[in-house]
Amino acid sequence: DTEVTQTPKHLVMGMTNKKSLKCEQHMGHRAMYWYKQKAKKPPELMFVYSYEKLSINESVPSRFSPECPNSSLLNLHLHALQPEDSALYLCASSHLAGTTDTQYFGPGTRLTVL
Amino acid sequence: GESVGLHLPTLSVQEGDNSIINCAYSNSASDYFIWYKQESGKGPQFIIDIRSNMDKRQGQRVTVLLNKTVKHLSLQIAATQPGDSAVYFCASQGTGGFKTIFGAGTRLFVKA
Repeated sequence: DTEVTQTPKHLVMGMTNKKSLKCEQHMGHRAMYWYKQKAKKPPELMFVYSYEKLSINESVPSRFSPECPNSSLLNLHLHALQPEDSALYLCASSHLAGTTDTQYFGPGTRLTVL
Repeated sequence: GESVGLHLPTLSVQEGDNSIINCAYSNSASDYFIWYKQESGKGPQFIIDIRSNMDKRQGQRVTVLLNKTVKHLSLQIAATQPGDSAVYFCASQGTGGFKTIFGAGTRLFVKA
């Protein structure tokens, strides 16, 4: 089973709201990722967690706050977002951390910021 | 810097024909290459991968070719079907993993 699940599928929020995106995998993968994808563009890496610790932050604004409560879960907390943050947010996981390995993606959360 | 680019933004093929999607990369330190398929409203789906110590790898109806000399990667889809219509991304990783660099994507249209 190579399934990564994400909730919610769609989210509409105002600029003053606080919301969270959730990602889950039960494949025993040790690395988890958040990507942002704008329309007709490739995914762009935001954060990487390796063994539940933040390994990479690609200079993402602090209004995006990642959290990895355990090895199966990854959250992305959103606060005071801007309309330009509207995008598809993808979660991914890979079995190995710190070496080349296939990343498996979830279906994404379509976020609209009003 | 590292980049992965595609030669054509769109490709239109007749059902049953073979499709070839090309990709160029610039970082000679790239060690691992992946092709993903992304259908509308879905996340990228792994298709096939290849490591830098190989030049060809075959899957079910798909073949990936790697030419390290000219830093070129291609995806061949045999007997293209309507269900193959999607955006295809090539991607690469360096030896440290983690950072997957995606190309711009090629949209494949399959005509019935």
